[in-house]
Amino acid sequence: DAGVIQSPRHEVTEMGQEVTLRCKPISGHDYLFWYRQTMMRGLELLIYFNNNVPIDDSGMPEDRFSAKMPNASFSTLKIQPSEPRDSAVYFCASSTTYEEIYGYTFGSGTRLTVV
Amino acid sequence: AQSVTQPDIHITVSEGASLELRCNYSYGATPYLFWYVQSPGQGLQLLLKYFSGDTLVQGIKGFEAEFKRSQSSFNLRKPSVHWSDAAEYFCAVRKGGNTPLVFGKGTRLSVIA
Repeated sequence: DAGVIQSPRHEVTEMGQEVTLRCKPISGHDYLFWYRQTMMRGLELLIYFNNNVPIDDSGMPEDRFSAKMPNASFSTLKIQPSEPRDSAVYFCASSTTYEEIYGYTFGSGTRLTVV
Repeated sequence: AQSVTQPDIHITVSEGASLELRCNYSYGATPYLFWYVQSPGQGLQLLLKYFSGDTLVQGIKGFEAEFKRSQSSFNLRKPSVHWSDAAEYFCAVRKGGNTPLVFGKGTRLSVIA
């Protein structure tokens, strides 16, 4: 298995533009998590899904952020409009219900820079 | 709310020396505990985890961690550090079931010759 795949690896955009981050979880994993990593706040959970259904989005900073999981093999995190304070590394992770065996698997992240 | 504290932001050790990274958690019951490692520009990789049973758990890359309920701690150790261990280390906790992980702020490990 190729692991959790995120794209793009790097994104530089201008303030006010729409940004879409993509994630392909590991096949068979029924949980998907979006985390944001910054120096100041560390790793923060933004939202997570179970069987494609959003379970908790209380970590989403504001209405500019939205996430979808249209099927078991794909999820997007969208920021519209983007702001410089959104600059961070965004990680996607997936897991199974039987975490004792598999734990979380993280993607390599998307480094977002908003100028 | 549960929280995780990693008191050391940055630690520097000599290659071949022993290592201990500290982690304290705040939660009423025994949570599920994890250590992850992040190399520069990479995602997080699971080193080891504790759910129950033996309080000393072994992980990958020669790491181990000990759960101490009385101290609410889950410290990571390695007897002899290699230069390739230089990375960021994160302790994480979850209440149980499939609740999401809550991460500490991380400890950056530097290894010198």
